Parts: sequence; C-alpha cells; structure tokens
Amino acid sequence: QQQVKQSPQSLIVQKGGISIINCAYENTAFDYFPWYQQFPGKGPALLIAIRPDVSEKKEGRFTISFNKSAKQFSLHIMDSQPGDSATYFCAAFSPGNQFYFGTGTSLTVIP
Amino acid sequence: GAGVSQTPSNKVTEKGKYVELRCDPISGHTALYWYRQSLGQGPEFLIYFQGTGAADDSGLPNDRFFAVRPEGSVSTLKIQRTERGDSAVYLCASSSTGGQVDTQYFGPGTRLTVL
Repeated sequence: QQQVKQSPQSLIVQKGGISIINCAYENTAFDYFPWYQQFPGKGPALLIAIRPDVSEKKEGRFTISFNKSAKQFSLHIMDSQPGDSATYFCAAFSPGNQFYFGTGTSLTVIP
Repeated sequence: GAGVSQTPSNKVTEKGKYVELRCDPISGHTALYWYRQSLGQGPEFLIYFQGTGAADDSGLPNDRFFAVRPEGSVSTLKIQRTERGDSAVYLCASSSTGGQVDTQYFGPGTRLTVL
C-alpha cells in the first residue's frame, strides 16, 4: 500500500513557468514532509521540507503548500529553469523513524 | 567534504548468488539508512541503524536480506540467494543523529542486476 501518493508522474513545463507537483497521505501520524530532488545516477537530495503546523514554506523559487485537513501538500517551482529538470519525490516521516516516499515526478523544463 | 559513498556502483550477478553492498557514511554521522529504489519508484525503506545497532529493520523484505554496521560507521547490506526481483538501485543515506528533521544525505546508490 502506497503511503504517499504523488502526481503527476511526469511534467513538462516551459522555461519561466510554474511547476506544480502534488502529494497526498492518509496517516495522520506523519509529522514531517520533505521534498527531494534526484538527478540521473545520483541519490536524492533534500530540497525543502515542512512541518504540519505551518501552511506554507518558501525557499527561493521553491514553495511547499500544506493542507493539513485535506492531508495534501504540494511543491511549487516558480520561474522553472532547464536546470530544474530532474525527478522530484515527496516524502513523509513517521514517528517510527521511517521515511515513506512518493513514486516520483519526472520534470522536464523546456528552454 | 566527502559525502556518502557506495561501492560498487554497479553489480551484476546471477540468480542464486550472494552479494554484498557497501556504504561509507559521512564521518561522524550516527544514523544510517538503507533504501531500495526500483525503476520508476521512490526509495523504499529497508533498515535504519543508530550507531552499531539496527534500530528498525522492519523494511527488510525477507530473511535473505541482512545488514550490519559493526563499528558504527561503514555498513554492509548482504543479500543471499539473489532473485531477479532483487534487481534495483540500493541507496544508502546517513544523518547526523537520526531525528526527523535531521537531513538525510544520500549516496549515489549501487545498481544491482540479477540475471
């Protein structure tokens, strides 16, 4: 059973556009929600993370929006650049010290 | 500074063989995690070490999988009687203390192919 559901599977955005990736979860025990960026042949790297006590967190061009009642959170990439082309994973952390990852979104930013 | 390293980067083996995958975490990191990433999927938790002990091994799929971290630094993931379904990228990550807000730093992974 997939603990964190992620969509879309793939996304193509024009340079300068906004990329939006969505995730949903069921387990209300999750209390930390990071996003990871992965380039081919590399391990995932932490991009940005949020706790459920805030509804939004922004770091540069990257913003997480969090809706606790809907159990959904999303990553927004503003002014998307070709260098942002990668696979993005959302994740949720349980008090049992486990991270559960989404299935990933392959983002392509067209110049 | 040096990140998490994993060796080998690629491993091809035959069904039924035994393999060992090595992870060198960032120096001083007490927490170490193993994940398995199948094609088109996100990393799947296997096991978490805090120091030398396995704090959580609930993600190991069966008793063919075993991991050790005898001195609290380097870890080895061991797979016995490999099956074609074990083919995946095996990722290792380490973090300073293992807390939830403690950033996990991932290695590049070992791509295991079982023929």
